[in-house]
Amino acid sequence: SQQGEEDPQALSIQEGENATMNCSYKTSINNLQWYRQNSGRGLVHLILIRSNEREKHSGRLRVTLDTSKKSSSLLITASRAADTASYFCATDEGYGNNRLAFGKGNQVVVIP
Amino acid sequence: DTGVSQNPRHKITKRGQNVTFRCDPISEHNRLYWYRQTLGQGPEFLTYFQNEAQLEKSRLLSDRFSAERPKGSFSTLEIQRTEQGDSAMYLCASNGDSSGNTIYFGEGSWLTVV
Repeated sequence: SQQGEEDPQALSIQEGENATMNCSYKTSINNLQWYRQNSGRGLVHLILIRSNEREKHSGRLRVTLDTSKKSSSLLITASRAADTASYFCATDEGYGNNRLAFGKGNQVVVIP
Repeated sequence: DTGVSQNPRHKITKRGQNVTFRCDPISEHNRLYWYRQTLGQGPEFLTYFQNEAQLEKSRLLSDRFSAERPKGSFSTLEIQRTEQGDSAMYLCASNGDSSGNTIYFGEGSWLTVV
């Protein structure tokens, strides 16, 4: 079963706005990762946050992790049309990265 | 291009036929993974290799699915006697000691079974 479960929503925002999406999981983890997927393409790794970290930044991305609530959020600031994609969180289910469990993904559409 | 390479990118096959997909990982990566993704879903783990050893295959969907990595470099995923439910994108990924926890995915191989 897939552990990482994003809030199953499609976001449609204007360019320049921020986009926030959430992910919840069920079991203990070593780390949680976020990936982006453009339509019909492979996945691109965005950011990894370890279980002992609470927040991490990478460029316009901000990820938070709340292990007590077993949830994470991904914030994309100052969105661009090129950010239009599906975003997935993935957890290692405590097994290390050799078996990632992905959620269903969030579709984000950034309107120019 | 030094990324993960998958071939063919698209395959249409008739039900009952066998298909094989190939994955060439990033050259220094010793770990290789196969995932399946259906429309509207996230990728689903199938199997993984460390060098030529297949260390996890319990998630392969049925005994019609098999994977090999004979020399610890490229890998193949074979689906025998395809069924319409096998229609999906098959993703390969790799990582190695130098890449830390980051896993690099290929562009995927789309399978349509008619």
